Amino acid sequence: QSVLTQPPSASGTPGQRVTISCSGSRPNIGSNHVYWYQQLPGTAPKLLIYTTNQRPSGVPDRFSGSKSGTSASLAISGLRSEDEAEYYCAAWDDRLYGVLFGGGTRLTVL
Amino acid sequence: EVQLVESGGGLVQPGGSLRLSCVASGFTFSNYWMTWVRQAPGKGLEWVANMKQDGSEKYYVDSVKGRFTISRDNTENSLYLQLNSLRPEDTALYYCARADDYGPSFAYWGQGTLVAVSS
Repeated sequence: QSVLTQPPSASGTPGQRVTISCSGSRPNIGSNHVYWYQQLPGTAPKLLIYTTNQRPSGVPDRFSGSKSGTSASLAISGLRSEDEAEYYCAAWDDRLYGVLFGGGTRLTVL
Repeated sequence: EVQLVESGGGLVQPGGSLRLSCVASGFTFSNYWMTWVRQAPGKGLEWVANMKQDGSEKYYVDSVKGRFTISRDNTENSLYLQLNSLRPEDTALYYCARADDYGPSFAYWGQGTLVAVSS
């Protein structure tokens, strides 16, 4: 079981705003930046958000990240069919001295 | 263009060994932390190990400590993962990725190499 907890699934209709949560604890999300990855079927993960709320070049501004205390969120606005994918949060853990990934959230665009 | 190409995966019996390689191109390899991440079939991502530019720092997930060893050759632009005492639960697609630091900022990934542990 992952130390970073994500809902296993989320869904929305085109144009909607969807948020995916990632719950951790003080040694990880509470003390470090959060990162988000998008993984399309059969492909390597893609960095979507770094240092909690920054987007790499090429990532649409429909994607945004935030953090409060020991929880983080990924928000996707103006949902599109191509957003249907698995989403993972990640953070460094100061107690485990390692990287943690959340269990992943499968986003379905209805 | 940044490229990471993994190789070395295959089918191995429990208790066996494999050495994975990742050849990097398109960037100055010696300037970056590097990492290995794995994904079991139908499962989520699991970080395995990472290594500092000069090899002075290495970190591992608890489940592989004492069995896996990460290493690099900056003259060959290559990252390695030696897998010993393999278990069925090590079966996964193993990705190498370039990291900005010791944390999970992995902007570039390879396509992965598949390790299957079975008798």
